[in-house]
Amino acid sequence: DGGITQSPKYLFRKEGQNVTLSCEQNLNHDAMYWYRQDPGQGLRLIYYSQIVNDFQKGDIAEGYSVSREKKESFPLTVTSAQKNPTAFYLCASIRAGGASGANVLTFGAGSRLTVL
Amino acid sequence: AQTVTQSQPEMSVQEAETVTLSCTYDTSESDYYLFWYKQPPSRQMILVIRQEAYKQQNATENRFSVNFQKAAKSFSLKISDSQLGDAAMYFCAYRSARGAGNMLTFGGGTRLMVKP
Repeated sequence: DGGITQSPKYLFRKEGQNVTLSCEQNLNHDAMYWYRQDPGQGLRLIYYSQIVNDFQKGDIAEGYSVSREKKESFPLTVTSAQKNPTAFYLCASIRAGGASGANVLTFGAGSRLTVL
Repeated sequence: AQTVTQSQPEMSVQEAETVTLSCTYDTSESDYYLFWYKQPPSRQMILVIRQEAYKQQNATENRFSVNFQKAAKSFSLKISDSQLGDAAMYFCAYRSARGAGNMLTFGGGTRLMVKP
């Protein structure tokens, strides 16, 4: 079955360490996204990528970095510059073009990052 | 920039009864899409229903229906015959039909509790 795989599901980090969250999709989707979710809050966009080797900052990009070397993969690195990284991170993707209104964002199961 | 507001942090409903979740949004655009997503305790985001702004007819998916009031910029979700499995966080989301990105802007969410 096609879908989005995020790993790890749970991750613990010491302060000052960088960590990378994996996001892989086999849906042949063009665009991919990273969202952050804090307790009791909605999702906020960190970064997105519409094509390979290109990505744009979202609303809360500071302290994060991404790469898009392959269409299927969009890893997110949480750097030590991110002051409050403890959160739930969701990756999503969508097929672009065509009747874009009919295209729906598909989400992964998420990764929970806790800073110790 | 578009904003989405969900004014009810929590709602509760008796099993088999009907509940309505509110959502308002702010945009200067005339062409856009609106969505309701459900996030159960598993935290997997699941699309419940979507509405194209150019359609006057309200979308319906089984027990779920929306009341889309374009002039009032209101997009409420009605859940009929509520079931225990409907208990979850519900997020309203907006997506522009123009411009690059296809990203969603989310409201802060409403936690729905279903009482047996």
